[in-house]
Amino acid sequence: GAGVSQTPSNKVTEKGKYVELRCDPISGHTALYWYRQSLGQGPEFLIYFQGTGAADDSGLPNDRFFAVRPEGSVSTLKIQRTERGDSAVYLCASSLKSEPGLARNEQFFGPGTRLTVL
Amino acid sequence: ELKVEQNPLFLSMQEGKNYTIYCNYSTTSDRLYWYRQDPGKSLESLFVLLSNGAVKQEGRLMASLDTKARLSTLHITAAVHDLSATYFCAVAKIQGAQKLVFGQGTRLTINP
Repeated sequence: GAGVSQTPSNKVTEKGKYVELRCDPISGHTALYWYRQSLGQGPEFLIYFQGTGAADDSGLPNDRFFAVRPEGSVSTLKIQRTERGDSAVYLCASSLKSEPGLARNEQFFGPGTRLTVL
Repeated sequence: ELKVEQNPLFLSMQEGKNYTIYCNYSTTSDRLYWYRQDPGKSLESLFVLLSNGAVKQEGRLMASLDTKARLSTLHITAAVHDLSATYFCAVAKIQGAQKLVFGQGTRLTINP
């Protein structure tokens, strides 16, 4: 079956604008994660959903960032009043479940959206 | 706070040689992952290590986990050019949200 898909693959915007990034997880995966990867760094956690609810949003850098997953499948990461420092690759991942003690809980990553804020 | 450190961060080696990448983490965890990333691409899962003493092998790559030392290694045997990439280890916290904390990555370049 299809893997995790993300759209758009590239987004160029101007400082102060609003952007939405979309993630379509693997079918049947109930857990969905957003990470941000700056150039030359490892991905950093932003938020994760179990079903429709955000179970952990501790990685969101400030209140300009918000994410939703209204039907428990597709998720949208929303960034208001973008700043140049928001430029990065935004990665989405999904896993079958997200429960402590589950044997594998492996996360599968999408291709990412490269966001450039001018 | 869980921290993950990899070393070396950059590694240039010749084909046919062996080398090891190290991944240290700061607090108890119940699972560790290794990922590969090619330039401009996303992360490809290589190994999932779940218990102390776990060893997984795929081709020229072998990963191991020592939970007591909070250390994982990724060993490359007889390197070939196709293995050039950036390798990340990532650790999940033992309870609560299953977010991954990644190391800085090791950029591996294998020269003919």
